[in-house]
Amino acid sequence: GQNIDQPTEMTATEGAIVQINCTYRTSGFNGLFWYQQHAGEAPTFLSYNVLDGLEEKGRFSSFLSRSKGYSYLLLKELQMKDSASYLCAVVDSNYQLIWGAGTKLIIKP
Amino acid sequence: GAVVSQHPSRVICKSGTSVKIECRSLDFQATTMFWYRQFPKKSLMLMATSNEGSKATYEQGVEKDKFLINHASLTLSTLTVTSAHPEDSSFYICSARQGEITEAFFGQGTRLTVV
Repeated sequence: GQNIDQPTEMTATEGAIVQINCTYRTSGFNGLFWYQQHAGEAPTFLSYNVLDGLEEKGRFSSFLSRSKGYSYLLLKELQMKDSASYLCAVVDSNYQLIWGAGTKLIIKP
Repeated sequence: GAVVSQHPSRVICKSGTSVKIECRSLDFQATTMFWYRQFPKKSLMLMATSNEGSKATYEQGVEKDKFLINHASLTLSTLTVTSAHPEDSSFYICSARQGEITEAFFGQGTRLTVV
Protein backbone atom coordinates (compact mmCIF):
# COMPACT_ATOMS: atom_id res chain seq x y z
CA GLY A 1 0.00 0.00 0.00
CA GLN A 2 0.91 3.64 -0.17
CA ASN A 3 2.44 5.22 2.88
CA ILE A 4 3.70 8.58 4.00
CA ASP A 5 5.48 8.98 7.34
CA GLN A 6 6.05 12.13 9.33
CA PRO A 7 6.82 12.65 13.01
CA THR A 8 3.66 13.25 14.98
CA GLU A 9 4.92 16.20 16.97
CA MET A 10 8.00 18.37 17.28
CA THR A 11 8.97 21.17 19.62
CA ALA A 12 11.35 24.02 18.84
CA THR A 13 12.36 27.37 20.26
CA GLU A 14 11.50 30.77 18.85
CA GLY A 15 14.32 32.02 16.62
CA ALA A 16 15.76 28.55 16.06
CA ILE A 17 15.73 26.22 13.06
CA VAL A 18 13.65 23.05 12.72
CA GLN A 19 13.61 20.30 10.10
CA ILE A 20 10.46 18.25 9.53
CA ASN A 21 11.06 14.99 7.69
CA CYS A 22 8.74 13.09 5.39
CA THR A 23 9.36 9.66 3.90
CA TYR A 24 7.05 8.17 1.33
CA ARG A 25 6.31 4.95 -0.49
CA THR A 26 3.77 5.45 -3.26
CA SER A 27 2.74 3.97 -6.58
CA GLY A 28 4.53 6.42 -8.80
CA PHE A 29 5.62 9.94 -8.07
CA ASN A 30 4.55 13.19 -9.65
CA GLY A 31 5.65 15.66 -7.04
CA LEU A 32 5.53 16.39 -3.33
CA PHE A 33 3.75 19.23 -1.56
CA TRP A 34 4.15 20.76 1.86
CA TYR A 35 1.17 22.50 3.44
CA GLN A 36 0.73 24.41 6.67
CA GLN A 37 -2.48 24.02 8.66
CA HIS A 38 -3.39 26.06 11.70
CA ALA A 39 -5.93 24.51 14.05
CA GLY A 40 -9.47 24.81 12.74
CA GLU A 41 -8.36 26.20 9.40
CA ALA A 42 -7.84 24.77 5.94
CA PRO A 43 -4.31 23.91 4.77
CA THR A 44 -2.32 26.51 2.89
CA PHE A 45 0.28 25.73 0.25
CA LEU A 46 3.94 26.11 1.19
CA SER A 47 6.03 24.36 -1.45
CA TYR A 48 6.17 21.91 -4.32
CA ASN A 49 9.15 19.70 -5.27
CA VAL A 50 9.30 17.41 -8.27
CA LEU A 51 13.06 17.38 -8.94
CA ASP A 52 15.80 16.45 -6.48
CA GLY A 53 17.31 19.26 -4.52
CA LEU A 54 16.50 22.19 -2.33
CA GLU A 55 13.85 24.82 -3.02
CA GLU A 56 14.18 27.95 -0.93
CA LYS A 57 11.38 30.38 -0.29
CA GLY A 58 12.09 32.94 2.38
CA ARG A 59 12.33 31.36 5.83
CA PHE A 60 11.04 28.05 4.49
CA SER A 61 12.97 25.57 2.36
CA SER A 62 11.98 22.15 1.07
CA PHE A 63 14.27 19.34 -0.03
CA LEU A 64 13.56 16.25 -2.10
CA SER A 65 15.43 13.02 -2.81
CA ARG A 66 13.36 10.82 -5.11
CA SER A 67 15.78 7.91 -4.92
CA LYS A 68 15.40 7.81 -1.14
CA GLY A 69 11.68 8.62 -1.07
CA TYR A 70 12.50 11.45 1.30
CA SER A 71 11.73 15.11 1.76
CA TYR A 72 12.16 17.65 4.50
CA LEU A 73 10.78 21.07 5.27
CA LEU A 74 13.24 23.44 6.91
CA LEU A 75 11.94 26.40 8.87
CA LYS A 76 14.41 29.10 9.90
CA GLU A 77 14.13 31.98 12.36
CA LEU A 78 11.10 30.39 13.92
CA GLN A 79 8.27 32.64 14.99
CA MET A 80 5.40 31.87 17.34
CA LYS A 81 2.98 32.06 14.41
CA ASP A 82 4.77 29.07 12.86
CA SER A 83 3.07 26.86 15.46
CA ALA A 84 0.87 24.70 13.25
CA SER A 85 0.61 21.30 11.65
CA TYR A 86 2.74 20.67 8.59
CA LEU A 87 1.38 18.22 6.05
CA CYS A 88 3.40 16.35 3.46
CA ALA A 89 1.47 15.16 0.39
CA VAL A 90 2.63 13.15 -2.62
CA VAL A 91 1.06 13.07 -6.08
CA ASP A 92 0.98 9.44 -7.16
CA SER A 93 0.88 7.87 -10.62
CA ASN A 94 -2.89 8.46 -10.80
CA TYR A 95 -2.37 12.12 -9.91
CA GLN A 96 -4.05 11.58 -6.59
CA LEU A 97 -2.80 13.49 -3.56
CA ILE A 98 -1.74 11.11 -0.81
CA TRP A 99 -1.56 12.86 2.54
CA GLY A 100 0.70 12.26 5.49
CA ALA A 101 -0.80 12.50 8.97
CA GLY A 102 0.92 15.81 9.59
CA THR A 103 3.50 17.01 12.09
CA LYS A 104 2.34 19.27 14.88
CA LEU A 105 5.02 21.88 15.49
CA ILE A 106 5.05 23.60 18.86
CA ILE A 107 7.12 26.76 19.19
CA LYS A 108 8.23 27.80 22.66
CA PRO A 109 9.47 31.27 23.62
CA GLY B 1 -2.52 32.20 -5.19
CA ALA B 2 -5.89 31.15 -6.47
CA VAL B 3 -8.93 31.52 -4.25
CA VAL B 4 -11.39 28.82 -3.32
CA SER B 5 -14.43 29.91 -1.38
CA GLN B 6 -16.32 27.44 0.79
CA HIS B 7 -19.65 28.22 2.37
CA PRO B 8 -20.92 28.03 5.06
CA SER B 9 -17.98 28.10 7.46
CA ARG B 10 -20.07 26.78 10.32
CA VAL B 11 -23.42 25.05 10.41
CA ILE B 12 -25.46 23.44 13.15
CA CYS B 13 -28.32 21.22 12.08
CA LYS B 14 -30.77 18.83 13.63
CA SER B 15 -30.37 15.11 13.27
CA GLY B 16 -32.20 13.82 10.21
CA THR B 17 -31.93 16.99 8.16
CA SER B 18 -29.70 17.61 5.13
CA VAL B 19 -26.94 20.16 4.78
CA LYS B 20 -25.42 21.52 1.58
CA ILE B 21 -21.87 22.85 1.45
CA GLU B 22 -20.69 24.88 -1.53
CA CYS B 23 -17.19 25.13 -2.91
CA ARG B 24 -16.34 27.73 -5.54
CA SER B 25 -13.12 28.49 -7.37
CA LEU B 26 -13.23 32.26 -7.74
CA ASP B 27 -10.49 33.07 -10.22
CA PHE B 28 -9.72 29.85 -12.05
CA GLN B 29 -11.47 26.91 -13.62
CA ALA B 30 -11.15 23.84 -11.47
CA THR B 31 -10.95 20.71 -13.56
CA THR B 32 -11.00 18.63 -10.41
CA MET B 33 -12.42 19.24 -6.97
CA PHE B 34 -11.84 17.19 -3.88
CA TRP B 35 -13.82 16.80 -0.70
CA TYR B 36 -12.08 15.94 2.53
CA ARG B 37 -13.16 15.21 6.05
CA GLN B 38 -10.95 15.87 9.02
CA PHE B 39 -11.42 14.68 12.59
CA PRO B 40 -9.75 16.53 15.45
CA LYS B 41 -5.98 16.10 15.48
CA LYS B 42 -6.16 13.82 12.45
CA SER B 43 -5.03 14.29 8.88
CA LEU B 44 -7.22 14.98 5.91
CA MET B 45 -9.26 12.03 4.74
CA LEU B 46 -10.25 12.12 1.09
CA MET B 47 -13.94 11.42 0.63
CA ALA B 48 -14.40 11.87 -3.09
CA THR B 49 -12.97 13.35 -6.24
CA SER B 50 -15.19 15.09 -8.75
CA ASN B 51 -14.60 16.23 -12.29
CA GLU B 52 -16.85 18.76 -13.94
CA GLY B 53 -19.80 17.17 -15.66
CA SER B 54 -19.17 13.64 -14.48
CA LYS B 55 -20.05 11.56 -11.45
CA ALA B 56 -17.84 11.80 -8.42
CA THR B 57 -15.44 9.01 -7.54
CA TYR B 58 -15.89 8.03 -3.92
CA GLU B 59 -13.22 6.55 -1.69
CA GLN B 60 -13.79 3.18 -0.16
CA GLY B 61 -16.05 3.33 2.85
CA VAL B 62 -17.69 6.62 1.92
CA GLU B 63 -21.43 6.27 1.33
CA LYS B 64 -22.28 7.95 -1.96
CA ASP B 65 -25.98 8.08 -1.12
CA LYS B 66 -25.25 9.89 2.10
CA PHE B 67 -22.65 12.32 0.80
CA LEU B 68 -24.00 13.63 -2.49
CA ILE B 69 -21.51 15.48 -4.64
CA ASN B 70 -22.41 17.60 -7.62
CA HIS B 71 -19.84 19.31 -9.83
CA ALA B 72 -22.09 21.16 -12.22
CA SER B 73 -19.58 23.66 -13.53
CA LEU B 74 -15.86 24.33 -13.63
CA THR B 75 -16.20 26.71 -10.70
CA LEU B 76 -18.73 25.06 -8.41
CA SER B 77 -18.99 21.80 -6.52
CA THR B 78 -21.44 20.99 -3.75
CA LEU B 79 -21.45 18.38 -1.02
CA THR B 80 -24.80 17.49 0.52
CA VAL B 81 -24.83 15.53 3.75
CA THR B 82 -28.18 13.78 3.70
CA SER B 83 -30.08 12.66 6.80
CA ALA B 84 -27.28 13.92 9.00
CA HIS B 85 -26.49 12.20 12.29
CA PRO B 86 -24.27 13.30 15.17
CA GLU B 87 -21.46 11.06 13.95
CA ASP B 88 -21.36 13.14 10.76
CA SER B 89 -20.19 16.10 12.81
CA SER B 90 -16.76 16.99 11.48
CA PHE B 91 -14.67 19.52 9.59
CA TYR B 92 -15.29 19.26 5.85
CA ILE B 93 -12.83 20.85 3.45
CA CYS B 94 -12.91 21.19 -0.31
CA SER B 95 -9.99 21.79 -2.58
CA ALA B 96 -9.63 22.51 -6.26
CA ARG B 97 -6.91 21.96 -8.78
CA GLN B 98 -6.52 23.43 -12.22
CA GLY B 99 -4.51 20.57 -13.63
CA GLU B 100 -3.05 17.24 -12.68
CA ILE B 101 0.28 18.46 -11.36
CA THR B 102 -0.62 21.70 -9.67
CA GLU B 103 -1.06 22.58 -6.05
CA ALA B 104 -4.44 22.16 -4.49
CA PHE B 105 -6.11 25.31 -3.25
CA PHE B 106 -8.32 24.83 -0.26
CA GLY B 107 -11.57 26.34 0.83
CA GLN B 108 -11.91 27.69 4.34
CA GLY B 109 -13.55 24.53 5.59
CA THR B 110 -16.99 23.92 7.08
CA ARG B 111 -17.48 22.94 10.70
CA LEU B 112 -20.62 20.78 10.76
CA THR B 113 -22.29 20.03 14.07
CA VAL B 114 -25.29 17.73 14.09
CA VAL B 115 -27.37 17.87 17.25
